[in-house]
Amino acid sequence: EVQLVESGGGLVQPGGSLRLSCAASGFTFSNYDMHWVRQTTGRGLEWVSVIGTTGVTHYAGSVEGRFTISRENAKNSLYLQMNSLTAGDTAVYYCARVRKDGNKGTDDFWGQGTLVTVSS
Amino acid sequence: DIQLTQSPSTLSASVGDRVTITCRASQSISSWLAWFQQKPEKAPKLLIYKASDLENGVPSRFSGSGSGTEFTLTISSLQPDDIATYYCQQYDSFPTFGQGTKLEIK
Repeated sequence: EVQLVESGGGLVQPGGSLRLSCAASGFTFSNYDMHWVRQTTGRGLEWVSVIGTTGVTHYAGSVEGRFTISRENAKNSLYLQMNSLTAGDTAVYYCARVRKDGNKGTDDFWGQGTLVTVSS
Repeated sequence: DIQLTQSPSTLSASVGDRVTITCRASQSISSWLAWFQQKPEKAPKLLIYKASDLENGVPSRFSGSGSGTEFTLTISSLQPDDIATYYCQQYDSFPTFGQGTKLEIK
């Protein structure tokens, strides 16, 4: 059974940092691209970042230069290092497995999410 | 970014009704569109991918159609378990999502 379990969320002050983790099981993690997606009541679902099987990364413009996605295949783990956090980063953060069709991919399994709150 | 516009934002229907949700893209995305179902406090669940392919385990009352810029999700006979918010997602480029359609029982 495919499982994705996020951790590391919490309350952080503006300007602070947080590192999210996503533990994967039930599939060969190294064979899949992975996404981070966040959700707020006001902005809905927003794609944040992708990391490919080769380690290539891309980011949404709203987080470019502040967030870093990484993976550790030996530990079946995905990470999101978030720096210079602002109130606008407050959201539930999901990791998601990407199902590829050629060079296109959608999210076929999602974790349960971890809440990040940026507030003083 | 490719913008997705869903309609309606809220839909009230009765058990057994045929329900249709529309998603329009700001530019052509071929068939690179997915539909997700999200229940309160839960993660989104993939229902349909590549516009019309049914994900394994999803009931056959769900179907998707369309290509280019206009897409629909249809529930042929609404069931109480279908009460949720539905989102479309394009993945022709970096993913973007529609704003969601909240489905309620009348």
